[in-house]
Amino acid sequence: GESVGLHLPTLSVQEGDNSIINCAYSNSASDYFIWYKQESGKGPQFIIDIRSNMDKRQGQRVTVLLNKTVKHLSLQIAATQPGDSAVYFCAENPRGGYQKVTFGTGTKLQVIP
Amino acid sequence: DAGVTQSPTHLIKTRGQHVTLRCSPISGHKSVSWYQQVLGQGPQFIFQYYEKEERGRGNFPDRFSARQFPNYSSELNVNALLLGDSALYLCASSLGFVSSGNTIYFGEGSWLTVV
Repeated sequence: GESVGLHLPTLSVQEGDNSIINCAYSNSASDYFIWYKQESGKGPQFIIDIRSNMDKRQGQRVTVLLNKTVKHLSLQIAATQPGDSAVYFCAENPRGGYQKVTFGTGTKLQVIP
Repeated sequence: DAGVTQSPTHLIKTRGQHVTLRCSPISGHKSVSWYQQVLGQGPQFIFQYYEKEERGRGNFPDRFSARQFPNYSSELNVNALLLGDSALYLCASSLGFVSSGNTIYFGEGSWLTVV
């Protein structure tokens, strides 16, 4: 079946360093991708999104890169802070999928002070 | 502005019972969807409603049902609860379809424990 998955289940980063979280997707029909941050006991929080007609999109301290050739998505967090510690999910919305969003299994980001 | 609000935040039910979870979307949002998140996993799509009509359903049994009201709020109902239904139930809303450029925003969820 089609799925969205992550390469690394846990990522430990020193405070102040940059973080890169990777994601592979298999549904070539997906045209919208989202990164969510989920802190313990809370709902997913929207971070940044990107559509398939783009390769890169930047937000505040975050950048998402999309490589459609190899079906790869990444989230870059600049100057990682302790407050960035959370589980990060990449998610995809297939074309015609209305609101259905398919989530990967998540990567836990641990920021070391 | 208030985000997506859900109630109750936590509840405990016994096997075989029924539960109703409620969701109020962000003001102006007409689309609501429901997700189930089991501990340690990503959220799984259950239902999607737009303009009070069901527009999508995930791979969940008929014990799960939902509806959207004229004010765009929504209810998720689960009958004949099983232990495996214990999870965080998330509601998400958006102005319209994602394909039209609308972002999906999630609430904090309702924690359901079935004993």
